[in-house]
Amino acid sequence: IAGITQAPTSQILAAGRRMTLRCTQDMRHNAMYWYRQDLGLGLRLIHYSNTAGTTGKGEVPDGYSVSRANTDDFPLTLASAVPSQTSVYFCASSDGGTTDTQYFGPGTRLTVL
Amino acid sequence: GQNIDQPTEMTATEGAIVQINCTYQTSGFNGLFWYQQHAGEAPTFLSYNVLDGLEEKGRFSSFLSRSKGYSYLLLKELQMKDSASYLCAGMDSNYQLIWGAGTKLIIKP
Repeated sequence: IAGITQAPTSQILAAGRRMTLRCTQDMRHNAMYWYRQDLGLGLRLIHYSNTAGTTGKGEVPDGYSVSRANTDDFPLTLASAVPSQTSVYFCASSDGGTTDTQYFGPGTRLTVL
Repeated sequence: GQNIDQPTEMTATEGAIVQINCTYQTSGFNGLFWYQQHAGEAPTFLSYNVLDGLEEKGRFSSFLSRSKGYSYLLLKELQMKDSASYLCAGMDSNYQLIWGAGTKLIIKP
């Protein structure tokens, strides 16, 4: 693994189903983030984690949950998917240095029918 | 409220220069980022400015004026591979990024 990986690459999901999007980084970054990206809108922060064992809510957290059991993994769960959660989901991590630059995974394209 | 404004789309010619503007309003300020995003791919980091002035990095330069809440990304000697969306993001007092919707840059031969 080099950088950040996400799985699955894409998924079609029936409304009401539970879904977990996976994110793993091997850069030993403390902070991790989940964003959604919708056409015509900027990236919107769903949840974040500044360090293992802690999580926080972003701009659009409703309907989503996260956990951070260790440094490397930051899964995002949709407990009961709805069509408005159709989006591209990006996981990111940051190095916490002077610039705190965020580095992104390849994304998961999720369609909820 | 917090807001990032940038043009939706711009068109430029291969070999030319283009300037993509961004205005920002954030609660506190801890820097301004530019990312490049090719269609269907993840955003990739281009530049970071926290002090006023111009930062040059090869064909790409980024400028910041904190008093005006303004930044621009300057791309020189445009190549076809520069066709992408360019995302402006301001970092607020909580070190969270506030993102613009992105500027889609179309390069014509």
